[in-house]
Amino acid sequence: DTGVSQDPRHKITKRGQNVTFRCDPISEHNRLYWYRQTLGQGPEFLTYFQNEAQLEKSRLLSDRFSAERPKGSFSTLEIQRTEQGDSAMYLCASSFPGASYEQYFGPGTRLTVT
Amino acid sequence: QKEVEQDPGPLSVPEGAIVSLNCTYSNSAFQYFMWYRQYSRKGPELLMYTYSSGNKEDGRFTAQVDKSSKYISLFIRDSQPSDSATYLCAIMTRDDKIIFGKGTRLHILP
Repeated sequence: DTGVSQDPRHKITKRGQNVTFRCDPISEHNRLYWYRQTLGQGPEFLTYFQNEAQLEKSRLLSDRFSAERPKGSFSTLEIQRTEQGDSAMYLCASSFPGASYEQYFGPGTRLTVT
Repeated sequence: QKEVEQDPGPLSVPEGAIVSLNCTYSNSAFQYFMWYRQYSRKGPELLMYTYSSGNKEDGRFTAQVDKSSKYISLFIRDSQPSDSATYLCAIMTRDDKIIFGKGTRLHILP
């Protein structure tokens, strides 16, 4: 399978714990994006990378959130001190630079904070 | 006013009917317009993208953009139960970010 993959698919954690998600983009894609989607809403942009450089972060991305893409391949999204409001689907997508209109999404990581 | 407005539905139509899904947007600078399909508990899947006003067809799907009205549409011909999903319209901003509508839930009744 050469699509975007995400791990884990589901994560249940207690409030206050830290969680980390991983995304492996399509190998030829330089750009990698993170989104958050809550029930009944479309995905909301969080941040994106071109290779290893993080080019933009949304105001939605509080100080408790950090994303990395150290070697320009896979990316991780960490949430520290999780809150119940962090419960959502976290989606990763990738694209070629200059073709952001053609993003391919992974299956998402569903986070539940209890 | 939100940048992309989309009626969340649900929209229920009988199998074989033509489905019309619509969105409006607020910023005339947007240039790329996309439609994604999302099945329950899955990631969105890109169906089509268009750059300019006019129609673009791909099989049973036709995307239509009217920049003068800031209106985008997706038509599905000969709808099938497998088309039941949430359809998300999206636009790309000048700084390469995608803004999604809320999505319209579509049910095709066998």
